[in-house]
Amino acid sequence: EAGVAQSPRYKIIEKRQSVAFWCNPISGHATLYWYQQILGQGPKLLIQFQNNGVVDDSQLPKDRFSAERLKGVDSTLKIQPAKLEDSAVYLCASSPRFRRFSGNTIYFGEGSWLTVV
Amino acid sequence: AQTVTQSQPEMSVQEAETVTLSCTYDTSESNYYLFWYKQPPSRQMILVIRQEAYKQQNATENRFSVNFQKAAKSFSLKISDSQLGDTAMYFCAFMKHRGGSEKLVFGKGTKLTVNP
Repeated sequence: EAGVAQSPRYKIIEKRQSVAFWCNPISGHATLYWYQQILGQGPKLLIQFQNNGVVDDSQLPKDRFSAERLKGVDSTLKIQPAKLEDSAVYLCASSPRFRRFSGNTIYFGEGSWLTVV
Repeated sequence: AQTVTQSQPEMSVQEAETVTLSCTYDTSESNYYLFWYKQPPSRQMILVIRQEAYKQQNATENRFSVNFQKAAKSFSLKISDSQLGDTAMYFCAFMKHRGGSEKLVFGKGTKLTVNP
């Protein structure tokens, strides 16, 4: 079974530029997450999708970050304009078809490393 | 809101020995899941072990086991017969069990080094 795929793996941009990250979850997984992990910290949830609807985006800086999940499969996370403090690893994750009280295991991709200079 | 605390930023252990990583959490929920994830330098988060809060029996996975103390809100990870490949960051994580919003809340992590 193929895992969660992310691209690009590495990106260096100047501040105020834009960047987009792509994620392809495990086949059949209904829930998709984007996490931000700043060096030395644990991952922080940015946005959670259930199929193509947003479940939680309370910690997404909406003035500069946007995300979409068209057709309930792939997802794109965009940052525009980027700031120095956006330097982090952006982890995409997915979990199987939503079942209440299921405590589904969440599977992570290898992450997209962003450096803003 | 749930919080997860890992009080040991770094730990080291000799190969073949046993090490225990600590984790405490704060929640008002009665039903939830707890996880330990391993993150090697590649940064991919790899599930090590999970525990359902309603189960009294501690979870085990080969060399990995947990000591789950629900009343104390403590969830430690024991690694037996440590191997060089266990060197990584270890994150404790919490997932609440209701409301339809299953998401992980992570601690800050413990950097484990296994020495030859």
